[in-house]
Amino acid sequence: EAGVTQFPSHSVIEKGQTVTLRCDPISGHDNLYWYRRVMGKEIKFLLHFVKESKQDESGMPNNRFLAERTGGTYSTLKVQPAELEDSGVYFCASSQLAGFTDTQYFGPGTRLTVL
Amino acid sequence: RKEVEQDPGPFNVPEGATVAFNCTYSNSASQSFFWYRQDCRKEPKLLMSVYSSGNEDGRFTAQLNRASQYISLLIRDSKLSDSATYLCVVNRGDYKLSFGAGTTVTVRA
Repeated sequence: EAGVTQFPSHSVIEKGQTVTLRCDPISGHDNLYWYRRVMGKEIKFLLHFVKESKQDESGMPNNRFLAERTGGTYSTLKVQPAELEDSGVYFCASSQLAGFTDTQYFGPGTRLTVL
Repeated sequence: RKEVEQDPGPFNVPEGATVAFNCTYSNSASQSFFWYRQDCRKEPKLLMSVYSSGNEDGRFTAQLNRASQYISLLIRDSKLSDSATYLCVVNRGDYKLSFGAGTTVTVRA
């Protein structure tokens, strides 16, 4: 079974540019999450989709970040315009259910560098 | 105060040794607890879940102390392949995971 995939693996952009990250969850997983790890900090929750609906975007840093999940399959996370502090590793995870005991499977992450 | 705090290490141990480390969590309402393993520049992978008083999986033993709000992980008979960062992860009762910053373990030959 294929795991969670993310594209691109690395992205280097200049401040002010736009970047779009993509996540493909495990097939059949309705729940999709975005997390972020900035340099020297712990991984932090950004938002949660159930199918195509945003259930919780309380972790999104500001309105420069926009996440979508059209059709309830893959998801995109757009950063526009990017700032230096957006640099970090963006992880996507998916799970079949959303209970507190359900395992979230993580993708390899997209390493974003904003210059 | 951070939700989940871990000793960052590094713990540098010889092959065959036992290594143990803890993490503490701040939210007493937390419901479930996990140890994830992360290799350099890779994704976090679930190592084991800790639901009640603790559990064992091969050479790995996780303990939970709800009264003191800490979780521990013990690795027996360390292998070179155990070298990684171990992430303490707590679920407050919903779908959001709260991560510690990780404990680095290096097993040397």
